[in-house]
Amino acid sequence: EVQLVESGGGLVQPGGSLRLSCVASGITFSDYWMHWVRQAPGKGPVWVSRIKTDGSYTTYADSVKGRFTIFRDNAKNTVYLQMNSLRAEDTAVYYCATNHASRADFENWGQGTLVTVSS
Amino acid sequence: DIQMTQSPSSLSASVGDKVTITCRASQSITNYLNWYQQKPGNAPKLLIYAASSLQSGVPSRFSGSRSGTDFTLTISSLQPDDFATYYCQQSYYTPLTFGGGTKVEFK
Repeated sequence: EVQLVESGGGLVQPGGSLRLSCVASGITFSDYWMHWVRQAPGKGPVWVSRIKTDGSYTTYADSVKGRFTIFRDNAKNTVYLQMNSLRAEDTAVYYCATNHASRADFENWGQGTLVTVSS
Repeated sequence: DIQMTQSPSSLSASVGDKVTITCRASQSITNYLNWYQQKPGNAPKLLIYAASSLQSGVPSRFSGSRSGTDFTLTISSLQPDDFATYYCQQSYYTPLTFGGGTKVEFK
């Protein structure tokens, strides 16, 4: 059974930082691109970032470019999202999702971790 | 960015009804279109990938089709478990984008 478990969310003040983690099990982690997708309360999902199977390539949404960094540790089956200079509009549930290298969809999702940016 | 226009934004239906949801891409995305179901408090769940391929474990009453830049998700006979919000998503080009969602409610 595939499991993705996110952690690291919480309440942070504007301008602050958080690091999210997502640990995967039940898959050959290095066969998957990993993504972060966020969803603000009452809104639809929004793609945030992705990282290639070996960590050599990353892409970001314009809204987070320069503030967020995605990276992975294949030895630990873990993907991270370092979030700096947080803004109120970053408040959302953050999901990690898998994308097998042979496909182009979000096949597996974690349960999400809530990030609240507020003073 | 590729815009995904989903319609309707909500619909009311009864158990046994045939339900059709449409998603239009602002430019060609070939078959790079996926459909997800989301229930309150849960992550989205993949239903259909590559426009018309049924994800493993998803009931066969769900199907997807494509005509040019128009994509359709069909539920052939709505079941109680299907009342949820549905999203399309293009994976042709970054930023990967989702449609606005369609909430399927009980009539």
